[in-house]
Amino acid sequence: DTAVSQTPKYLVTQMGNDKSIKCEQNLGHDTMYWYKQDSKKFLKIMFSYNNKELIINETVPNRFSPKSPDKAHLNLHINSLELGDSAVYFCASVAGGLGSNEQFFGPGTRLTVL
Amino acid sequence: GQQLNQSPQSMFIQEGEDVSMNCTSSSIFNTWLWYKQDPGEGPVLLIALYKAGELTSNGRLTAQFGITRKDSFLNISASIPSDVGIYFCAGLAGGTSYGKLTFGQGTILTVHP
Repeated sequence: DTAVSQTPKYLVTQMGNDKSIKCEQNLGHDTMYWYKQDSKKFLKIMFSYNNKELIINETVPNRFSPKSPDKAHLNLHINSLELGDSAVYFCASVAGGLGSNEQFFGPGTRLTVL
Repeated sequence: GQQLNQSPQSMFIQEGEDVSMNCTSSSIFNTWLWYKQDPGEGPVLLIALYKAGELTSNGRLTAQFGITRKDSFLNISASIPSDVGIYFCAGLAGGTSYGKLTFGQGTILTVHP
């Protein structure tokens, strides 16, 4: 069973379009994240949700809007896509509370903006 | 913001050799994590460290949490071709488990058979 899954795996779109990436975890974790990995492989946190509430927002442009319908899902909607949005986006989750700090990552979504 | 300096940036080694990489920070972290990323995949957790001075092994991998809380290293012994990939250190400063992970720049490991 896949622990953290993302769809789609690849997304190619034109500048100015709006697109969404979906993430689901079946680990029963309370906290989920979105990370962006640039062309130099640097990983940077974008957002974090704990039990459907936003707890971290790393000064990401407001064209990016995360949505958490329940604690097992965290989706990322991007409006008016720009060339610089091209990257690999990773979803991750962690148990939360006083338990493990170990974050588990999804397989990534490679977004290419033309 | 917090930054992690990971070195070396890349390594080219022969199969069977031992490998060492490290991360240093100007600020204190309470948790250090080491991840490996294969091409086209997400990072996979290798080792988690929670206490200063802690030395933890996972098969051929050994990692240590520096006593100053500002550094960590990862050793891989007797490397094999499937060790190829990008290795990342990550630090967690806060005490809460939903804190923000700061990642190093990664070490690209190439193993020649």
